[in-house]
Amino acid sequence: DGGITQSPKYLFRKEGQNVTLSCEQNLNHDAMYWYRQDPGQGLRLIYYSQIVNDFQKGDIAEGYSVSREKKESFPLTVTSAQKNPTAFYLCASSSGTGGPGELFFGEGSRLTVL
Amino acid sequence: AQSVTQPDIHITVSEGASLELRCNYSYGATPYLFWYVQSPGQGLQLLLKYFSGDTLVQGIKGFEAEFKRSQSSFNLRKPSVHWSDAAEYFCAAFYNQGGKLIFGQGTELSVKP
Repeated sequence: DGGITQSPKYLFRKEGQNVTLSCEQNLNHDAMYWYRQDPGQGLRLIYYSQIVNDFQKGDIAEGYSVSREKKESFPLTVTSAQKNPTAFYLCASSSGTGGPGELFFGEGSRLTVL
Repeated sequence: AQSVTQPDIHITVSEGASLELRCNYSYGATPYLFWYVQSPGQGLQLLLKYFSGDTLVQGIKGFEAEFKRSQSSFNLRKPSVHWSDAAEYFCAAFYNQGGKLIFGQGTELSVKP
């Protein structure tokens, strides 16, 4: 079945450590996105990539980094510079053929900083 | 600035009752509009979308939404709620200017037996 796989589902990190969240899709979608979700704040865009080897900052990119070396993969690194990293992180992808803005989501990764 | 507002943070309805979740988008050029649903600890699933044409759109799970340009609204409705509809619902808008999907804050739906 085609879909988006995020791993790990749960992750604990000590302060000062970097951590990388994995996002893989087999939908052959060009565009991929990372969102952060906090209670009562909806989803906020961290980074997005519309094509391999290219990505743009979203609304809250500070303290995060990404890479897009392959079409299928869009890992997110939460660096020690991120002041409040505890959150639920969602990866999404889009082909554009379903219409602009129609996203398919993974099941999320919950990061807790101890 | 482009924005999406869901005025209700939390709504409780009785099973079998009708449901309406409100969504307003910032006025200007009509965006593409979406409703997504999220079960606890899960990703988001698309319920329905509006691009153009008929202002009443049908979605999955018996949901529908009506686009009203005059009110800059895209409210989600269901005639009879089931206990399995308890979840968080997000309205979203895609503006061609900016090229990003903007989400509302979400409305959490609880269903009473």
